[in-house]
Amino acid sequence: QVQLLESGPGLVKPSETLSLTCAVSGYSISSGYNWGWIRQPPGKGLEWIGTFVHRGSTNYNPSLKSRVTISVDMSENQFSLRLTSVSAADTAVYYCARVVYGDWSFDAWGQGALVTVSS
Amino acid sequence: DLVLTQSPDSLAVSLGERATINCKSSQSVLYASNNNNYLAWYQQKPGQPPKLLIYRAFTRASGVPDRFSGSGSGTDFTLTISSLQAEDVAVYYCQQYALTPPRTTFGQGTRLEIK
Repeated sequence: QVQLLESGPGLVKPSETLSLTCAVSGYSISSGYNWGWIRQPPGKGLEWIGTFVHRGSTNYNPSLKSRVTISVDMSENQFSLRLTSVSAADTAVYYCARVVYGDWSFDAWGQGALVTVSS
Repeated sequence: DLVLTQSPDSLAVSLGERATINCKSSQSVLYASNNNNYLAWYQQKPGQPPKLLIYRAFTRASGVPDRFSGSGSGTDFTLTISSLQAEDVAVYYCQQYALTPPRTTFGQGTRLEIK
């Protein structure tokens, strides 16, 4: 059974870069599937950040595209998120997730990592 | 812009009764190339990540009880819980996919409580 675990700093200063990693166990990400990041500000709804497509491309939320990079490390079986020039509006629980094969829904999620942007 | 609107924002239903949540898209999510509606439903309980219930409008995810069902096509979709159980109290989200450019959005959520 696939498991995902987010890790990274819980506190980031304004204007700096948020970096998170999602470690995948129970499945080799080099074998297929697409993988994504979603975030949820405290008490609010879900926002898609971006998806890494197994063929090697990435798709990003247009509202975040200029600040977001998703990358994959097949050797470590993990993928990462970088969000630059953060502000308080980027404070959220960040989830990594697996995409249903042939679809765009997410069938396996990490528990989430709370990242607070504050000086 | 790609917008999903859920209704109602909150809902209170008696145990054993039917609960219905609606989701309306600003553009069709039906893709003629494969006749699939790219619309999904999730359940989120406090302190937990979302759980996939339904994808492609009506396909139940693995392990989801059959009291959960999805229906609809094009721009209008419905999640139905046929007989509400106490453990169904949660916030429910719909999600859609658009092809050009590839992107996905979520509805604002519907809070379901026991009456």
